Amino acid sequence: GNSVTQMEGPVTLSEEAFLTINCTYTATGYPSLFWYVQYPGEGLQLLLKATKADDKGSNKGFEATYRKETTSFHLEKGSVQVSDSAVYFCALRNTGGFKTIFGAGTRLFVKA
Amino acid sequence: ETGVTQTPRHLVMGMTNKKSLKCEQHLGHNAMYWYKQSAKKPLELMFVYSLEERVENNSVPSRFSPECPNSSHLFLHLHTLQPEDSALYLCASSQDPSGRTGGEQFFGPGTRLTVL
Repeated sequence: GNSVTQMEGPVTLSEEAFLTINCTYTATGYPSLFWYVQYPGEGLQLLLKATKADDKGSNKGFEATYRKETTSFHLEKGSVQVSDSAVYFCALRNTGGFKTIFGAGTRLFVKA
Repeated sequence: ETGVTQTPRHLVMGMTNKKSLKCEQHLGHNAMYWYKQSAKKPLELMFVYSLEERVENNSVPSRFSPECPNSSHLFLHLHTLQPEDSALYLCASSQDPSGRTGGEQFFGPGTRLTVL
C-alpha cells in the first residue's frame, strides 16, 4: 500500500541555518507529492507540491524535488527564520484518488 | 469569508452529550474531508464526501456521524464520545481529484475537542 515516511523531530536550528527534512514514499502508479505546514493553533496549509518526476515545487524559499529513482521528496530551505517554526507534513495522493496519505509530521524549532 | 471555516473552535463535552461540529468552505470545491489529529499520532482520515456522496469511511466508530447537505457544508455529529476521542478535528476541501488542479487540500483551523 501507499505510505510516507519522514524524519522524526523535533529539529532545532539557529536562525539562518540550512534546513533539510527528509521524506520518502512508497506508492503504486504516479502520485502527486506535497508538503504541508501547520503553524501553532492552525490547520494545515499547502506549502508546495510536485505532480510528476523531476518537478521541483517551491514557495517562500522552500524547495522539494520529486525524485522517482529514490522515491524521495526532501524539503530544503537555505536560511530558516524564527517564523518558520511549525510542523511540516509530507504527503502523497494517487491520481484520481480522494485519499491523501500524510507522514507523521516533523516539528521544526528555529532559535533566534 | 474566504477559505475553510470551522465552528466551534473549542468544545468541551461530557460523555453523554450530543454535539455537532460544522465546516463550511467558500472555495467552490466539491470534495470535503474530516480528519482527526491526536498528539503523537499521524493524521487520520475519517470521512470523505465528493459531490455530497460519502466515498470514504475509514472504520470510524458509529458515535461519529457525518452529514454533507450540500457541497459547501459538512457536519460531524458526536454522541456518547469517550475521553480518547479528545483531539483536534480538521475539515478540508478540494476540487475533485480527477480534475486538473492537482488535488491539494485546503484545511480549516480545526475544532479542539475535549471529552470529559
